[in-house]
Amino acid sequence: SQQGEEDPQALSIQEGENATMNCSYKTSINNLQWYRQNSGRGLVHLILIRSNEREKHSGRLRVTLDTSKKSSSLLITASRAADTASYFCATDSEPGWGKLQFGAGTQVVVTP
Amino acid sequence: ETGVTQSPTHLIKTRGQQVTLRCSSQSGHNTVSWYQQALGQGPQFIFQYYREEENGRGNFPPRFSGLQFPNYSSELNVNALELDDSALYLCASSLQGVWSPLHFGNGTRLTVT
Repeated sequence: SQQGEEDPQALSIQEGENATMNCSYKTSINNLQWYRQNSGRGLVHLILIRSNEREKHSGRLRVTLDTSKKSSSLLITASRAADTASYFCATDSEPGWGKLQFGAGTQVVVTP
Repeated sequence: ETGVTQSPTHLIKTRGQQVTLRCSSQSGHNTVSWYQQALGQGPQFIFQYYREEENGRGNFPPRFSGLQFPNYSSELNVNALELDDSALYLCASSLQGVWSPLHFGNGTRLTVT
């Protein structure tokens, strides 16, 4: 079963616009991570936010975490066609490092 | 540094057969985790190997088994293949004891007919 659920399932925007996707999870976490996947290839790590952090930035990415609501959001600013991919949130709940529980993902299409 | 490599990239098997998938971890990483990703879904954790032993397992039957070798590379074996085993199998390496992201390979696409 999936720990997280992303919303929306799919998102279509134009270059230059911002893309926002949300993730909800069920159990307490140690950290939450976001990954990107291009058309069935391997996942690429984007950003990690620890449970005691509320916001984190990396380049054009901004992640927020609200542990009271068990939710997170990923904002991609000034999107580019190269941002077209599926985006997954993943939670790391147990002290085992690397045993992640992924959501079903948000498919983002950025048109020129 | 070398990244995570998986072989083969694609594989077609018949129901009931057995399959072995291989993964070479990123240099400096001592932990390998395997994930199954069905079409349109997020990856599901199968199991993790650390110090050549299984170090946690997801909700997968015993016909899914693995190995880790002294050089930290790993194998995933699936016996008695079923049609529902058709998926992308992803290997990820990491360093045990460190809150760090996983480094994924590009996966093996397994089709069971």
